[in-house]
Amino acid sequence: NAGVTQTPKFQVLKTGQSMTLQCAQDMNHNSMYWYRQDPGMGLRLIYYSASEGTTDKGEVPNGYNVSRLNKREFSLRLESAAPSQTSVYFCASSEALGRQGYGYTFGSGTRLTVV
Amino acid sequence: GIQVEQSPPDLILQEGANSTLRCNFSDSVNNLQWFHQNPWGQLINLFYIPSGTKQNGRLSATTVATERYSLLYISSSQTTDSGVYFCAVGGGGTSYGKLTFGQGTILTVHP
Repeated sequence: NAGVTQTPKFQVLKTGQSMTLQCAQDMNHNSMYWYRQDPGMGLRLIYYSASEGTTDKGEVPNGYNVSRLNKREFSLRLESAAPSQTSVYFCASSEALGRQGYGYTFGSGTRLTVV
Repeated sequence: GIQVEQSPPDLILQEGANSTLRCNFSDSVNNLQWFHQNPWGQLINLFYIPSGTKQNGRLSATTVATERYSLLYISSSQTTDSGVYFCAVGGGGTSYGKLTFGQGTILTVHP
């Protein structure tokens, strides 16, 4: 059971380049998320998808776009990378578990450097 | 939006010691979770605890929703407990899964 898989794990971009971060989950979760983590800070929500076919902005969406390709996959695109987007990006998925609470699973992260 | 404050920001312990981490939040929440980020960056869900008390081995957590705080207790700490502990909260309805994270408590456990 792989959980949440992110690719790539590391990436260096030049300012102005574009790239897509890929995320896939195999837990049949409805909801998926993209967060960024900067040094000394907690995670901040970029975009989320409550269910297949829907996406919505989070706290820091500027400079990013997302696509919920199907129930399993949720990609994050940087159209024109900027040094301020240097960060570690985490994808996550979640599902309500009734009495057991709320299952939230993170991928292992993508470390992105924009030079 | 909801503000989440964690304390202390840093904590250094000797192996075997106990500790209490605190999370204060500014509004009522329907979702509160504690996560551990290990030194390799992996985030693991420890507890889903919007109210009440839960225990899992040496870890336990208590949330007093009416007073807007949560506590994470670590007993008999081990070096493998080192890392960053995050509290994260979410609201109701469509905001349920959208978590707002605190800045974390960095825990270092020395042998």
